[in-house]
Amino acid sequence: LAKTTQPISMDSYEGQEVNITCSHNNIATNDYITWYQQFPSQGPRFIIQGYKTKVTNEVASLFIPADRKSSTLSLPRVSLSDTAVYYCLVGDPTTSGTYKYIFGTGTRLKVLA
Amino acid sequence: NAGVMQNPRHLVRRRGQEARLRCSPMKGHSHVYWYRQLPEEGLKFMVYLQKENIIDESGMPKERFSAEFPKEGPSILRIQQVVRGDSAAYFCASSRQGAREFFGPGTRLTVL
Repeated sequence: LAKTTQPISMDSYEGQEVNITCSHNNIATNDYITWYQQFPSQGPRFIIQGYKTKVTNEVASLFIPADRKSSTLSLPRVSLSDTAVYYCLVGDPTTSGTYKYIFGTGTRLKVLA
Repeated sequence: NAGVMQNPRHLVRRRGQEARLRCSPMKGHSHVYWYRQLPEEGLKFMVYLQKENIIDESGMPKERFSAEFPKEGPSILRIQQVVRGDSAAYFCASSRQGAREFFGPGTRLTVL
């Protein structure tokens, strides 16, 4: 499974756009990129998943360049409640469940007033 | 539809005691997964079960840990003779066949 690298922490202010980049140099052809959010004392929650180019949902956008060796999670206009740890996972959802993905230490986002 | 339920949410045990953690999957989900999260670390997979079967236990410590998912009732993660290093948050997730997992709120185990 592809190893991912993310910044350990980030600070932002309310109302700003936050971009968290994840490196996954050895991503495989069939791998998807998935992002999870985890609040303190809670289990991880699915945010978004993509394979290439751009994916957008009501919560976030995911940008994936053509070589797919990195991806960027974009959170528009963050609020204090977006303070959480964000995990980037890489794996093939058709051959293995999320349980085979590797959760790294994630990126600890702190949103300031 | 209630989410994944875990109980207790907090569990305190003394060294040498047994810890039993319970997980009730979402309705219609027959796949259960257990993870462990140490402070300031990411989740580490422990075991994957379907009803009455262990599918993958590659992340499970060889001794003192066991898991089951009986035909009726919740999945149980059992830790015998707990040690301080077992203190962690234990998360359960559930899914339908081939679908994405949903995580529970976790059980925080503290070993004194």
